[in-house]
Amino acid sequence: QSVLTQPPSVSAAPGQKVTISCSGSSSNIGNNYVSWYRLLPGTAPQLLIYDNDERPSGIPDRFSGSKSGTSATLGITGLQTGDEADYYCGAWDNSLGGGLFGTGTKVTVL
Amino acid sequence: QVQLVESGGGEVQPGRSLRLSCAASGFTFGNFGMHWVRQAPGKGLEWVALVPFDGGKQYYADSVKGRFTISRDNFKNMLYLQMNSLTTEDTAFYYCARHRYGSEWAFDSWGQGALVTVSS
Repeated sequence: QSVLTQPPSVSAAPGQKVTISCSGSSSNIGNNYVSWYRLLPGTAPQLLIYDNDERPSGIPDRFSGSKSGTSATLGITGLQTGDEADYYCGAWDNSLGGGLFGTGTKVTVL
Repeated sequence: QVQLVESGGGEVQPGRSLRLSCAASGFTFGNFGMHWVRQAPGKGLEWVALVPFDGGKQYYADSVKGRFTISRDNFKNMLYLQMNSLTTEDTAFYYCARHRYGSEWAFDSWGQGALVTVSS
C-alpha cells in the first residue's frame, strides 16, 4: 500500500533508547531509499538520516537508521530532553510516482 | 550557508489562487532538485511537488495534481508554487526544501515555511 505507517508515539527515560518503525511496501521502502526527519515546534524540519542509514554532517551518532525488507527503523540512544519532537520517515513510491512521508511519531522523554 | 526563504503566504478564499516563492542562497541553486512540502495544522508532513535541477519533468502529489504548478528560475535562484482552485484542505504551512545531491529521496535543507490559509 502507498502509505508509510509509524507508531503515533514512543517514550523513554533520559539516557535510554527508543526505536521508531516505518512500515511500507514493495512500492516504496522495499525498493527505494528511506530518509528520516525531526520536527521541533516552531522550527524547520531537519534531516537526520538519508539513504537508509547515513547521517548528514552535524548529526550525532546517537541517531541511527536501518532498513529490512519493507520496513525501516530510526534509533535514538542516550535520549535527551531536546529529542522531544515529531519524527517522520520518507521515501519515493513507485506506484504513486511521487514521494511519501510516514504518519509521524511523537517522542516523549519521561 | 544554505538559506531558503519562503514568501507569498496568506489568507485566500476557496477557489482562488496564490503563488508561493522561495528565495535560495548560499549554494549553486541550479545544481539541485527542489521540493515543496506542506504540513496542515495538527497533521503530518505531506510531500507536494518536485522540480529537477534543470526544470524538467515535474512530479506532483495526487492531492494537488492539475491544480498546483511547481517551477523555478535558475537565473534568479527562485522556486515557485502556483496554487489554483484552492480548497480548505490546502490550508497548511508550505516549506520549500532542497533535494540532497546524490540521494534518491532526502531533503537536506528546509525553509522556515509560509502559512497558507484557505477560508471563506
